[in-house]
Amino acid sequence: DAKTTQPTSMDCAEGRAANLPCNHSTISGNEYVYWYRQIHSQGPQYIIHGLKNNETNEMASLIITEDRKSSTLILPHATLRDTAVYYCIVRVKNTGTASKLTFGTGTRLQVTL
Amino acid sequence: DVKVTQSSRYLVKRTGEKVFLECVQDMDHENMFWYRQDPGLGLRLIYFSYDVKMKEKGDIPEGYSVSREKKERFSLILESASTNQTSMYLCASSLWQGGTGELFFGEGSRLTVL
Repeated sequence: DAKTTQPTSMDCAEGRAANLPCNHSTISGNEYVYWYRQIHSQGPQYIIHGLKNNETNEMASLIITEDRKSSTLILPHATLRDTAVYYCIVRVKNTGTASKLTFGTGTRLQVTL
Repeated sequence: DVKVTQSSRYLVKRTGEKVFLECVQDMDHENMFWYRQDPGLGLRLIYFSYDVKMKEKGDIPEGYSVSREKKERFSLILESASTNQTSMYLCASSLWQGGTGELFFGEGSRLTVL
């Protein structure tokens, strides 16, 4: 699975959009981009994933560049409860083959009043 | 609701003790994973399993072993615990094929080795 690079930390004011970048320049054609977040003292939670098209769900939006070498997770109206560590990983979607899934250190997002 | 349950949230063990961390999932997932999480190092994969009795090494398997005798249960074993194995341990599971490919995590087991 390709490696990813994320900023160590970011701040965002409550009510504003939080834009979390991720670089994955070695991504392969069949690898998806997945985002998870981990709130203190809990296990990571899935947010969203995508291959090449932009995706949106009730939690967030995912924007993937045309060359797929980077992506941005957007939390449109951040709240204090969005304070967490956000992980971007790239991996082949379940295809019947075993693959190890490697997380990096993620981005610590601090939402402030 | 889908669920991954880890047997203990907090454990305190002594150096040299044998430690078992148990993980059970109720989603009939084929894949199961053990990670450890340390400040500044993120989540690091210890072992994973894609079927009963099958296992694969992750990035940091040294000092650990695993057991998958039943599909729903994946155990992490520290044969002789050491202080550098003090950490948060996270179990996860996912489908082998289909679905979104997402991992479902347990709440974690915080192990302290004295």
